[in-house]
Amino acid sequence: DADVTQTPRNRITKTGKRIMLECSQTKGHDRMYWYRQDPGLGLRLIYYSFDVKDINKGEISDGYSVSRQAQAKFSLSLESAIPNQTALYFCATSPPPGGRTDTQYFGPGTRLTVL
Amino acid sequence: KQEVTQIPAALSVPEGENLVLNCSFTDSAIYNLQWFRQDPGKGLTSLLLIQSSQREQTSGRLNASLDKSSGRSTLYIAASQPGDSATYLCAVTYNQGGKLIFGQGTELSVKP
Repeated sequence: DADVTQTPRNRITKTGKRIMLECSQTKGHDRMYWYRQDPGLGLRLIYYSFDVKDINKGEISDGYSVSRQAQAKFSLSLESAIPNQTALYFCATSPPPGGRTDTQYFGPGTRLTVL
Repeated sequence: KQEVTQIPAALSVPEGENLVLNCSFTDSAIYNLQWFRQDPGKGLTSLLLIQSSQREQTSGRLNASLDKSSGRSTLYIAASQPGDSATYLCAVTYNQGGKLIFGQGTELSVKP
């Protein structure tokens, strides 16, 4: 089974709808992240959480909100979706810094289309 | 502003060729640099991580180099294979456990 899972994998919605993207991980990591990827722009950080009680805005948080329901679950919401939020969304986790591996582990992505 | 740039955006080579992907970063005070591979529908996988004190890292046919002073890294792929076809992303962090700043990626196609 995958260590980081995202649901749904694909979603088409209409402008103004509320959308929730979910992420679950079995790696036991405290740190979780949400990114979006647009063609030609790489990945940009939306929100991140270093533990259940910690939520931080990233580079492009406007129009998004998050909820950290448990260590293993981190959800991203679009309160009122707009077409320029059409993108590929990735969830990631990472272990505490300073360990043997200082990297992030990514889910397979959710392709969101807002019409 | 801390930015990461990757050139070229896309590259197509015949099988068996050696190739180099480039990454540059505007602020040279990085903590580490990573190269990721992205396959459609499968997310990103970390290939190599270079700490700021290191000059290169190797894994199989992959070799990543780092020149902090010039703000550059290269990913060398030897004897390319069709299975190497993917998008390769470079990312830097500026402190331990810090946020990743990604380049735009290079889409590699290796033709049989």
